[in-house]
Amino acid sequence: DPKIIQKPKYLVAVTGSEKILICEQYLGHNAMYWYRQSAKKPLEFMFSYSYQKLMDNQTASSRFQPQSSKKNHLDLQITALKPDDSATYFCASSQEGTGGYEQYFGPGTRLTVL
Amino acid sequence: GDSVTQTEGPVTVSESESLIINCTYSATSIAYPNLFWYVRYPGEGLQLLLKVITAGQKGSSRGFEATYNKETTSFHLQKASVQESDSAVYYCALGPSNTGYQNFYFGKGTSLTVIP
Repeated sequence: DPKIIQKPKYLVAVTGSEKILICEQYLGHNAMYWYRQSAKKPLEFMFSYSYQKLMDNQTASSRFQPQSSKKNHLDLQITALKPDDSATYFCASSQEGTGGYEQYFGPGTRLTVL
Repeated sequence: GDSVTQTEGPVTVSESESLIINCTYSATSIAYPNLFWYVRYPGEGLQLLLKVITAGQKGSSRGFEATYNKETTSFHLQKASVQESDSAVYYCALGPSNTGYQNFYFGKGTSLTVIP
């Protein structure tokens, strides 16, 4: 069974619209993250949450808003979508405090903005 | 800044041939970063392949190995004999530690196709 679920797998949106990317983890972890990979660019860190609180935000734009309704959920709301937002978005989780530093990743949501 | 540069893909090799995927890093804010290789198989999320947290040490997993070389700031991934099932995208990364980074700095990923 998949331990980190991301929905949808593929998403097509029009410029200016708003979308929510869903992430649920069933690993019992206390920290969750969002990463993004655009074409021909490195996989880049966006946000980290620990115990449902924002720990780090490396995303310059306020159009990207994480939402944590439950401790194993970290959704990503993106408003006023632009073609440059087209990318694969990965959710990840980890258990902080164990010293292992490993993060577990979901399969990604591929977003295309037309 | 802190960054990772790895072999540009796609890379295609024949089964049973050897493989090396180069990775060099720039860690301007951390003297001894933790180094990681992640792998992403088709349709799946990234999985940890191996990690090394001490300079000079070698990590190994599933026949892959990588040595943390602080002098050359490199962490190349090698395998002596690849299999078709190794076809995937490989990511080199600077990773978190108690006294270092809080999050990962990944490379662009190297897509590997192994031909039977």
